[in-house]
Amino acid sequence: EVQLVESGGGLIQPGGSLRLSCTTSAFPVSGDYMSWVRQAPGKGLEWVSMVYRGTTAYYADSVKGRFTASTDNSQTTIYLQMNNLRVDDTAVYYCARAPYCTGGSCYSRYYFDSWGQGTLVTVSS
Amino acid sequence: QSALTQPRSVSGSPGQSVTISCTGTSSATGGYNSVSWYQQHPGKAPKVIIYDVIKRPSGVPDRFSGSRSGNTASLTISGLQAEDEADYFCCSYAGMYTWVFGGGTKVTVL
Repeated sequence: EVQLVESGGGLIQPGGSLRLSCTTSAFPVSGDYMSWVRQAPGKGLEWVSMVYRGTTAYYADSVKGRFTASTDNSQTTIYLQMNNLRVDDTAVYYCARAPYCTGGSCYSRYYFDSWGQGTLVTVSS
Repeated sequence: QSALTQPRSVSGSPGQSVTISCTGTSSATGGYNSVSWYQQHPGKAPKVIIYDVIKRPSGVPDRFSGSRSGNTASLTISGLQAEDEADYFCCSYAGMYTWVFGGGTKVTVL
């Protein structure tokens, strides 16, 4: 496990933009899959995006074309640029890691072993 | 990217066993060995308790177990304890570097 700390949430009007950040406590292995997962108030978890090796990103249909995931050059900070925000984007946004190396072996894994504490994004006029 | 289907709630008395089902398409829960389960207490981040359908991370009590039959994955909590009262979510890798979660199940310890 690694420590993940999200920041950047807040209150934003519909149509506005916000950038979330997620900082890792340890230097990430380049094969880690770093995801954003959100949870609307009182609702379930929804996978939003994954960024891989700092450059390749994938998105849920609900955010495709509006959200962009990226990392800094050191890959110790993951970003989620959210544009054209809608009321239904209101949620706690978690950063989560699917590890590449764990338990002494390295290969792609598809579960999330580390989560941040989450940052709340509220889209409202 | 259809959500996986879970019962909204299950309950049991201390010491009893409860099972939570998670049903998806053959391309999700049935097609990949990458079903995981997460426990979430109120106001807290999720925590993985089962991964790769049946594996348990170190530190997770062995009263939590996972299984799968066809397109349905299941989480069983044996010997229910008060601290097991929480929300539980299943998750499956859905291919093409995407994931899908279940709607969540609230476990109540009577």
